[in-house]
Amino acid sequence: TQLLEQSPQFLSIQEGENLTVYCNSSSVFSSLQWYRQEPGEGPVLLVTVVTGGEVKKLKRLTFQFGDARKDSSLHITAAQPGDTGLYLCAGENTGNQFYFGTGTSLTVIP
Amino acid sequence: ETGVTQTPRHLVMGMTNKKSLKCEQHLGHNAMYWYKQSAKKPLELMFVYNFKEQTENNSVPSRFSPECPNSSHLFLHLHTLQPEDSALYLCASSQDDYRSTDTQYFGPGTRLTVL
Repeated sequence: TQLLEQSPQFLSIQEGENLTVYCNSSSVFSSLQWYRQEPGEGPVLLVTVVTGGEVKKLKRLTFQFGDARKDSSLHITAAQPGDTGLYLCAGENTGNQFYFGTGTSLTVIP
Repeated sequence: ETGVTQTPRHLVMGMTNKKSLKCEQHLGHNAMYWYKQSAKKPLELMFVYNFKEQTENNSVPSRFSPECPNSSHLFLHLHTLQPEDSALYLCASSQDDYRSTDTQYFGPGTRLTVL
């Protein structure tokens, strides 16, 4: 059973385009985190959201936690080649179990 | 720079070999983790150590044996592995074991290939 499904699995876009990736679950999560992993490196935490409906911005990245705390989205405006990487969501459900999502591999073409 | 180092970065071993992966964190953290990252599968948590004590073992086969001699070092001893154990093994640390709110700092990983 996949607890945190991410979509799309792969995404290839041109520099300057906007994109949104999703992290969905049937479970309620007390918090959700987004990580980015570049080739040859480990994941790096981008943001943690804890309140339903919460929106956080990190430069060109906008993160939103769903009102019901079952899903989250990451929107990137004017994507740059440096945004290329594997985007992972991770969260703790109400049963105190912590999971990583399936990942979205993003390639931004110059 | 994450402050978490892993050696070796790449390892090729036969099924009868014994090898060890090493992780070191220079962040003064109390919790350390081993994860397995395979293609097309989510990151899988293998072991958790908090203040040098193992607090979590997620049904990992006994051919993987962790060791945490102090809060800065974590090892993963490998013995009689299978080809399906080939993966990227990531080490992480955090201030304490509050994964949902503490930031986990990951090392670059060891790419393991079992022949």
